[in-house]
Amino acid sequence: GQNIDQPTEMTATEGAIVQINCTYQTSGFNGLFWYQQHAGEAPTFLSYNVLDGLEEKGRFSSFLSRSKGYSYLLLKELQMKDSASYLCAVRDYSSASKIIFGSGTRLSIRP
Amino acid sequence: DAMVIQNPRYQVTQFGKPVTLSCSQTLNHNVMYWYQQKSSQAPKLLFHYYDKDFNNEADTPDNFQSRRPNTSFCFLDIRSPGLGDAAMYLCATSSTGHNEQFFGPGTRLTVL
Repeated sequence: GQNIDQPTEMTATEGAIVQINCTYQTSGFNGLFWYQQHAGEAPTFLSYNVLDGLEEKGRFSSFLSRSKGYSYLLLKELQMKDSASYLCAVRDYSSASKIIFGSGTRLSIRP
Repeated sequence: DAMVIQNPRYQVTQFGKPVTLSCSQTLNHNVMYWYQQKSSQAPKLLFHYYDKDFNNEADTPDNFQSRRPNTSFCFLDIRSPGLGDAAMYLCATSSTGHNEQFFGPGTRLTVL
């Protein structure tokens, strides 16, 4: 089975940096995803990690440590529009195309 | 533009009255997924098709069925909706060998 844990809520200040952590347990790890979801909308893809290390894409970066079952999403230069839920999701080898989501972290940005 | 389309965006049904939600895609992706998402919760995978192969999650109720008549279309049938089935239903697609999963806008189901 799979288990994905991330904080329920976080608050940060506009212009600052925030790190959202995700830990996972899976029988056959085959990649980790981060998605952004605004209220009432569908999730949108942010990043994908399958090898250890940091992937940077503009203001967003994602890190993976497979040995620790750990990932984080780093958001820099926060903007008010970054207020959303951030979902960590894991793909499992037992079914190559199966992607399971964590419960998400609701990020609130204050001015 | 290539995309994932879900119809309708909002669906109201009565308790126990069968309802069908539809999803279509112009991406020619071989994998299609149905997720159920309730307020403030993670999307919960109900089932997915890998090509024509149907993969049901162990905890998906029998009340939920799916059909994929061709690559482009996938349907979610709820045979006897209960009040607990009110949720957002998300369709997504992906392609073997590529990492991104593309979501449709979702259908919000209300059960009266």
